[in-house]
Amino acid sequence: GQQLNQSPQSMFIQEGEDVSMNCTSSSIFNTWLWYKQDPGEGPVLLIALYKAGELTSNGRLTAQFGITRKDSFLNISASIPSDVGIYFCAGQPRRAGGYQKVTFGIGTKLQVIP
Amino acid sequence: DTGVSQNPRHKITKRGQNVTFRCDPISEHNRLYWYRQTLGQGPEFLTYFQNEAQLEKSRLLSDRFSAERPKGSFSTLEIQRTEQGDSAMYLCASSYMSTSGGWGTDTQYFGPGTRLTVL
Repeated sequence: GQQLNQSPQSMFIQEGEDVSMNCTSSSIFNTWLWYKQDPGEGPVLLIALYKAGELTSNGRLTAQFGITRKDSFLNISASIPSDVGIYFCAGQPRRAGGYQKVTFGIGTKLQVIP
Repeated sequence: DTGVSQNPRHKITKRGQNVTFRCDPISEHNRLYWYRQTLGQGPEFLTYFQNEAQLEKSRLLSDRFSAERPKGSFSTLEIQRTEQGDSAMYLCASSYMSTSGGWGTDTQYFGPGTRLTVL
């Protein structure tokens, strides 16, 4: 199926460092979503972005909806060991009343070194 | 806080057997989705329901797969004559979308998944 381009695919960082990951698409989306998935669990919604240019924070997480509507990034500040996991971006088009198919990236695997 | 729940969490079966998974969505959500996720990939859409109506199915959903949501609440996903290639995490998600027309956000919330292993 269709996938977004998400990078980096994996990263090792020291505890306390900031992290940045991004997602790009050839299609325009009207919603960008960022999920975190722990091993053996389902994705957990971190941040939802609904407007081009929107910058939204959730604790140490900040995400932005690119003004072209074809990209988004997620920043994590002052990483801690529990930030370990796989981060997925996802995009949705928007149309009245109908199903808004979610397209997922392949994920960024984050490992934090204490 | 009652989120999306899925049962069982793990299922090991022999090739050729039938399996059934259950999903209980967030109670006020009218939309329910099934996804499949294999190692190293993001979730891939299988099918979705609005209330009890199955409105869209992916080409990934072969004729061995069937999903139901008989009363517009919980849903089941059945796989008949399982194959080793069916081994994956099966995820359920739910959302609320206004049916009175107009634009909506339709943000999906996922359950913990059912890990299927076909031997």
